[in-house]
Amino acid sequence: ETGVTQTPRHLVMGMTNKKSLKCEQHLGHNAMYWYKQSAKKPLELMFVYNFKEQTENNSVPSRFSPECPNSSHLFLHLHTLQPEDSALYLCATTPSGLYQETQYFGPGTRLLVL
Amino acid sequence: GIQVEQSPPDLILQEGANSTLRCNFSDSVNNLQWFHQNPWGQLINLFYIPSGTKQNGRLSATTVATERYSLLYISSSQTTDSGVYFCAAGYNQGGKLIFGQGTELSVKP
Repeated sequence: ETGVTQTPRHLVMGMTNKKSLKCEQHLGHNAMYWYKQSAKKPLELMFVYNFKEQTENNSVPSRFSPECPNSSHLFLHLHTLQPEDSALYLCATTPSGLYQETQYFGPGTRLLVL
Repeated sequence: GIQVEQSPPDLILQEGANSTLRCNFSDSVNNLQWFHQNPWGQLINLFYIPSGTKQNGRLSATTVATERYSLLYISSSQTTDSGVYFCAAGYNQGGKLIFGQGTELSVKP
């Protein structure tokens, strides 16, 4: 148990669906991250939020839309996805995105786009 | 940007054996972390080690920043050590980390 939870754990969606992934942290941290892990590839950073402000968008397509309403919650809204978006989506947190700190990961959401 | 390479890509061990995993990085870093990903996808931070040596039970890690590499040692391996080990590095970009491709470890009973 890392103090970071993600829901749902598994998601199957069609290309025309709209769905959202949720991440919640109970560590009192102020920075939250979305990563994508495709099969046989390294983790790719997608977005960074620091004190609820987005500080990094790693050239992610607009069909992925993040939202950070407060320091404890992070969402990833999905719409009109492609089959190549099928992957494990991981949320992580650090005390602050300003310094070099240990990252704590959630268990991930395994997404399949049909 | 920083590039991170890990070796070997795959490793099969008999239970009780020792192993060394290597991580090379292309530029100066002040953030170097090792993670273990279990078969269900959960990533657990093992070490935050931008330099020096740390030990935690049967695991230890050494980073030689001037020579741009880090090593993860696993002693007396157990089947529960199976999974993928990732090295990730960063430099003065807050929490931004670049991950290596990982070493997939399988420990046989």
